[in-house]
Amino acid sequence: ILNVEQSPQSLHVQEGDSTNFTCSFPSSNFYALHWYRWETAKSPEALFVMTLNGDEKKKGRISATLNTKEGYSYLYIKGSQPEDSATYLCASGNAGGTSYGKLTFGQGTILTVHP
Amino acid sequence: NAGVTQTPKFRVLKTGQSMTLLCAQDMNHEYMYWYRQDPGMGLRLIHYSVGEGTTAKGEVPDGYNVSRLKKQNFLLGLESAAPSQTSVYFCASSYKGFGNQPQHFGDGTRLSIL
Repeated sequence: ILNVEQSPQSLHVQEGDSTNFTCSFPSSNFYALHWYRWETAKSPEALFVMTLNGDEKKKGRISATLNTKEGYSYLYIKGSQPEDSATYLCASGNAGGTSYGKLTFGQGTILTVHP
Repeated sequence: NAGVTQTPKFRVLKTGQSMTLLCAQDMNHEYMYWYRQDPGMGLRLIHYSVGEGTTAKGEVPDGYNVSRLKKQNFLLGLESAAPSQTSVYFCASSYKGFGNQPQHFGDGTRLSIL
C-alpha cells in the first residue's frame, strides 16, 4: 500500500493571494498522479491526471507539476478567489498487474480563501 | 448527464441490521470503486470492480460485500452493521486504465450505525 502525504493539512489565504500545496508519494512503481477538488457538500471532481516526469498541467488559475523521480507534485493557485475554497486531494496510482486503476489518496489540503 | 448516482443519500441503521448501497453510472465505465471517508483520513478503498461480474478487495474490505451483476451498477452490502462502519461512502467509476483515467465520484451516502 502506497503512502501518500499532503501538506499543509489546512491553509487560510486572502483573496488575491497565490498559494501552493504539496503531495508526496512513493516514487517506485509510480504510474499516475491525480488531483481532485472537493467542495463542501459536493463530490470530488478531477482536476488533473499526470503520468510523465516533468509534466505540467494548467486549468485556468490552477496548475500542477510532477516530479516522479523524487516523488512529489505541487498544485498552484494563482490569485485565489473565495470560490477556490475546497479540499484538494491528491492520489497516486501504482504500476503493476494488479493495480487495476486503484488509487491511494492523501488526506487532503483544506483551503479557505477569505474575501 | 447523471454521471454517478448513489442511493440512498442518508441512512441510519441499528447495530446488526443489514443494508445495500447502490451505485449507478451511465458513462459506460468499466471500473467502479467503493470508498469510505472518515474524519482525518483520506478516501480508503473498500472494494472495486474492473468489469461486469468481477469484484476485488481494496484496502478495508472487512464487513462489506459487493456485487457487479450489471456493468452500470455496483452494490455495496453491509451484512451486519457495526458502529465502526459509520462513515460517508463514495462510489466512483473510471473508463479503464491503470490509474491514468480520472475517477468520477457520486455525491456520497452518509451512513450512521447506532
